[in-house]
Amino acid sequence: GESVGLHLPTLSVQEGDNSIINCAYSNSASDYFIWYKQESGKGPQFIIDIRSNMDKRQGQRVTVLLNKTVKHLSLQIAATQPGDSAVYFCAEQTGANNLFFGTGTRLTVIP
Amino acid sequence: DAGVIQSPRHEVTEMGQEVTLRCKPISGHNSLFWYRQTMMRGLELLIYFNNNVPIDDSGMPEDRFSAKMPNASFSTLKIQPSEPRDSAVYFCASRKGAGQETQYFGPGTRLLVL
Repeated sequence: GESVGLHLPTLSVQEGDNSIINCAYSNSASDYFIWYKQESGKGPQFIIDIRSNMDKRQGQRVTVLLNKTVKHLSLQIAATQPGDSAVYFCAEQTGANNLFFGTGTRLTVIP
Repeated sequence: DAGVIQSPRHEVTEMGQEVTLRCKPISGHNSLFWYRQTMMRGLELLIYFNNNVPIDDSGMPEDRFSAKMPNASFSTLKIQPSEPRDSAVYFCASRKGAGQETQYFGPGTRLLVL
């Protein structure tokens, strides 16, 4: 049969608008979460992290929200710029164990 | 401040050849990770070292893959013999501690096995 690659969710936003990228994580015991940005041809780049004792954390133009009840993580990017176009990954960690990465979301910013 | 350094950045080889990928972690980081990224499977952890000791190699595909960390500033991932299905981007990442701290990734090695 024909093999297929991972289906990457996509999000297109107008430059200047806010972006919201969502992630459903799998392990209810996960207590540390990271958002990474990966541009074409580059390695994943750290954006922001959050621990499970928090439900919101803000950085420069980015905010991460954590809803442990429904195992949901979101990344909000304010005033999205063309340079924000990339694939965004959420990653979860349980205790001192390894990070597990989601499949990613492709963000395209329309000038 | 230098980030994680990987070499080579690109590698093209023929099936059956030995491939060695190299990584220099960020100075002062004592955890090192090797990942593989493909369109089919996304980003997968292959092996993880802490203080130069392999802690978890459950992600290593098979005996053709081996990794070493002879000292705190150098690690290698070797594939022998290589196969076309090994074609992927291989990333090295390092982390300062052994707990809940950020992993910083290198630029990756793009491997193509013909």
